[in-house]
Amino acid sequence: SAVISQKPSRDICQRGTSLTIQCQVDSQVTMMFWYRQQPGQSLTLIATANQGSEATYESGFVIDKFPISRPNLTFSTLTVSNMSPEDSSIYLCSAGSGNTIYFGEGSWLTVV
Amino acid sequence: GENVEQHPSTLSVQEGDSAVIKCTYSDSASNYFPWYKQELGKRPQLIIDIRSNVGEKKDQRIAVTLNKTAKHFSLHITETQPEDSAVYFCAAKIWGSQGNLIFGKGTKLSVKP
Repeated sequence: SAVISQKPSRDICQRGTSLTIQCQVDSQVTMMFWYRQQPGQSLTLIATANQGSEATYESGFVIDKFPISRPNLTFSTLTVSNMSPEDSSIYLCSAGSGNTIYFGEGSWLTVV
Repeated sequence: GENVEQHPSTLSVQEGDSAVIKCTYSDSASNYFPWYKQELGKRPQLIIDIRSNVGEKKDQRIAVTLNKTAKHFSLHITETQPEDSAVYFCAAKIWGSQGNLIFGKGTKLSVKP
């Protein structure tokens, strides 16, 4: 199994600022994804992080708001730009090779 | 695209009873169905999965069944314990593809002692 570390685990951010979340996997993986989870809700896919190329975004999510990097097979970042209170959520990194997907601990962001 | 429906949204059982959570999927190409358990404030954790070449899989007190014709799959937990209380998510994807998992909306299971 893959061990996925995320940081920060929790942060309180000012409206209008940006925050970058880091995701580190302990082994090389072919797939990395970023999800958003509102408390008590299901997981919504933001984008697939593609190694060496632009991320693939889901409907409703755009690169200007959620720029993603994936410079190699073990690391990715998600930036939440120009934050508003509606961006308060848990952001989860997930990764895997083959079919089994594992999750990071999540980054709980509160925008004030 | 794929759509996964999950029922019920909440489930309350007495300790020792069984719990069943059901999911249906829309894309007949999906052939890999994992289940995740998410305790409050923690990450989703894979607890069991099944591929469409089998109809049932068991791991101690949990089992998953799959009806490929009807496009539905279920999670069964027997002899429930308070520590089984969590939100359970079903998901679907195409085995071997680089695609993402499509999740159901989750079932909040409460096991009362």
